Amino acid sequence: QVQFVQSGAEVREPGASVKVSCKASGNTFPAPGLHWVRQAPGQRLEWMGWIDVTNANTKYSQNFQGRLAIIRDTSASTAYMELSSLTSEDTAVYYCAREQGGGLWDYWGQGSLVSVSS
Amino acid sequence: QTVVTQEPSLTVSPGGTVTLTCASATGAVTSGHHPTWFQQKPGQAPRTLIYNTNNKHSWTPARFSGSLLGDKAALTLSGVQPEDEAEYSCLLYYSGTWVFGGGTKLTVL
Repeated sequence: QVQFVQSGAEVREPGASVKVSCKASGNTFPAPGLHWVRQAPGQRLEWMGWIDVTNANTKYSQNFQGRLAIIRDTSASTAYMELSSLTSEDTAVYYCAREQGGGLWDYWGQGSLVSVSS
Repeated sequence: QTVVTQEPSLTVSPGGTVTLTCASATGAVTSGHHPTWFQQKPGQAPRTLIYNTNNKHSWTPARFSGSLLGDKAALTLSGVQPEDEAEYSCLLYYSGTWVFGGGTKLTVL
């Protein structure tokens, strides 16, 4: 059974950065694709970006260009999402989700709440 | 960014059948959009039900099915159960990026 365990809730001030982790269970990285998706309170799911775990290639939504970075540490079976220049509009639950390629989405992490407030 | 549209809300009676749709502002939804459907209950992470238009996971109840209906992607629930009350979101692929629909809140009443 594949599981993704995400890091805990974070609180940041406006202008700061946040880094959320997503660790695959069993110390394996059963990707190849790992997406990051967020959901602001009462809002739709929003696709943020994707990393190919095998070669670290990334693709980001235009909505986050310049302030989003997705990286992976294969030795730790962990992917990271770092978002900078935070504003209150970035308050959301952030999820990682696996795609096995060719549109085969399957497992999701449990979500990580990021709150941005002064 | 491309807009993907779903019905905001639908109501169905237990045991009934309901179809949720997913439309693309760019035109007809095709298999090339890799239509994917997720179920989400309050306070929980989304759960993938259908991928690539009509493929189910091992955990997807048989009463859920995906298809292309006219120029939209569709999710049909047949023999709806009370536990199917949830938010359902579709996801479409556009040349390297993905866009979620606004979600449909399904009420079983």
